[in-house]
Amino acid sequence: AQSVTQLDSHVSVSEGTPVLLRCNYSSSYSPSLFWYVQHPNKGLQLLLKYTSAATLVKGINGFEAEFKKSETSFHLTKPSAHMSDAAEYFCVVSDGSSNTGKLIFGQGTTLQVKP
Amino acid sequence: NAGVTQTPKFRVLKTGQSMTLLCAQDMNHEYMYWYRQDPGMGLRLIHYSVGEGTTAKGEVPDGYNVSRLKKQNFLLGLESAAPSQTSVYFCASSYSNLDQPQHFGDGTRLSIL
Repeated sequence: AQSVTQLDSHVSVSEGTPVLLRCNYSSSYSPSLFWYVQHPNKGLQLLLKYTSAATLVKGINGFEAEFKKSETSFHLTKPSAHMSDAAEYFCVVSDGSSNTGKLIFGQGTTLQVKP
Repeated sequence: NAGVTQTPKFRVLKTGQSMTLLCAQDMNHEYMYWYRQDPGMGLRLIHYSVGEGTTAKGEVPDGYNVSRLKKQNFLLGLESAAPSQTSVYFCASSYSNLDQPQHFGDGTRLSIL
């Protein structure tokens, strides 16, 4: 069965410093992995996705993630945090065992950006 | 350029009341999903649909029913609301099951007193 674990429930960084949000996954299949962002009182927006092409995936707003099969990880990074990056981030794996497009969500990581 | 629209945005119910949440998408997507979001638990799938006229249970279906009579609409019903159903509900849609990203509405905040 597929599962995803976000290793930090809360991350705090200063504006202009690097961001690292950690995610480990478990999958019986070659997984498709996503990062979504949720700003307060809003729905989820796709940041980036990995679907077995390049292992380093670039997304919107300067974010990128690296798929490491040996470590079963898909960590999200950004070189320099901006105040507007403060939000909830979700690591997501697709349920490859079914034909339904179902997604399995991590518990979320709240990113705080300090001035 | 509406995308996924959820109605209503907020609602307060009393225990035992019923209501229907509406999700509408204008992207001609085949797949639609209803999730609930609770603190510290991410999003959990309630029900989903892989096409007009079809529905299936997700991870937490008890106490909810759904219908997909038209391709663009996906309705979530609570027949007898309970305080445990206080949550934020999100609808999402996707073009196919082939690892396409899901597009989300802005959510419905539901409180059951």
